[in-house]
Amino acid sequence: SQTIHQWPATLVQPVGSPLSLECTVEGTSNPNLYWYRQAAGRGLQLLFYSVGIGQISSEVPQNLSASRPQDRQFILSSKKLLLSDSGFYLCAWSPGTSRPKNNEQFFGPGTRLTVL
Amino acid sequence: GQQVMQIPQYQHVQEGEDFTTYCNSSTTLSNIQWYKQRPGGHPVFLIQLVKSGEVKKQKRLTFQFGEAKKNSSLHITATQTTDVGTYFCAGPSYNTDKLIFGTGTRLQVFP
Repeated sequence: SQTIHQWPATLVQPVGSPLSLECTVEGTSNPNLYWYRQAAGRGLQLLFYSVGIGQISSEVPQNLSASRPQDRQFILSSKKLLLSDSGFYLCAWSPGTSRPKNNEQFFGPGTRLTVL
Repeated sequence: GQQVMQIPQYQHVQEGEDFTTYCNSSTTLSNIQWYKQRPGGHPVFLIQLVKSGEVKKQKRLTFQFGEAKKNSSLHITATQTTDVGTYFCAGPSYNTDKLIFGTGTRLQVFP
């Protein structure tokens, strides 16, 4: 069965520090991968998605970047964190487009980031 | 751009009362999905509806997809405290691999 991992679960970082959040998926190949951010009590904001290695689509211009160095690995990064980067970061996967259209998404446990 | 709205934004009910959340898309959808996010947790996929007018049930939950495939509803019969959370609908963005998530409805159930 498929499993999605995210780490760390919680992170407190000072303003101006770098960030690296990692997400890995097991039990599937060529998944679509997604990074979302959720502010407290708010909805899901799509940040980046990827349909393959090295293919990244950015949804919102901001202080963050994403990379997909391997098929089942998705990394969210920042060179210098801002206070506004605080939030709940969620990684998700869905079956790739090579399969019959079945685009439900499966979310990881998330990382709670606080920037002080 | 394509938008998906949900009402109400919040709903407080007494345990045992019914609850309904409504989802409306600005465009026709090929399918509609529903997710539940418990407080402090991550969204969990509940169900997908594909056909116009489709109705599906999961125990006390009833999901409906509108005839025009632009709206959907989730109805919970006789709510329980375990139903607490935020319910999101989502539809695929046209010709992409993205989902457009609704604004969410937060349900609070008082015992």
